[in-house]
Amino acid sequence: GAVVSQHPSRVICKSGTSVKIECRSLDFQATTMFWYRQFPKQSLMLMATSNEGSKATYEQGVEKDKFLINHASLTLSTLTVTSAHPEDSSFYICSATAVLEDYEQYFGPGTRLTVT
Amino acid sequence: EDQVTQSPEALRLQEGESSSLNCSYTVSGLRGLFWYRQDPGKGPEFLFTLYSAGEEKEKERLKATLTKKESFLHITAPKPEDSATYLCAVLSTGNQFYFGTGTSLTVIP
Repeated sequence: GAVVSQHPSRVICKSGTSVKIECRSLDFQATTMFWYRQFPKQSLMLMATSNEGSKATYEQGVEKDKFLINHASLTLSTLTVTSAHPEDSSFYICSATAVLEDYEQYFGPGTRLTVT
Repeated sequence: EDQVTQSPEALRLQEGESSSLNCSYTVSGLRGLFWYRQDPGKGPEFLFTLYSAGEEKEKERLKATLTKKESFLHITAPKPEDSATYLCAVLSTGNQFYFGTGTSLTVIP
């Protein structure tokens, strides 16, 4: 099956700093990538959808200036949490689809962000 | 309003006790319905895609079925290693994904 990786798997940062999370599709070209946030024992909350080479589409309530998304190539998308605060601590998961007609999203293993 | 509802929220089964998880959906048009398994602290793992009513798919002890309003994930003779949260998601004809809140399954030896 399609493999998606995320890096880092865990990160601890101080309040006010920025953190970048990478999402890579390892064995396929991802035309669309998604970024989710998940709180403990809750379902996935879609933050934004990004297509290669174009600006990300953010869900209502998600600050685009705080959560910067770049989808520079067909195999890489990055999420940068700027000026992180403790309330940004969460589990961030990316997913990718090869071609939208294929429909399936393949998820990365997630990144646990802790802001102290 | 498009939405996906999963039930029950949590399910405890004895090893070998078969059961079903439900995913009800209301969307303007269905392109696909997906089942995922998620273990704690990990990303969801893809299980099945169903595209049209009447379709069924199987994988080991799991079988997914689809009607025009809901999908069932049947678990036959579950084992402790089947313990996980099972997520259902729907892709609408408007290319929007909707996720359910999941069913947390615990299989007791």
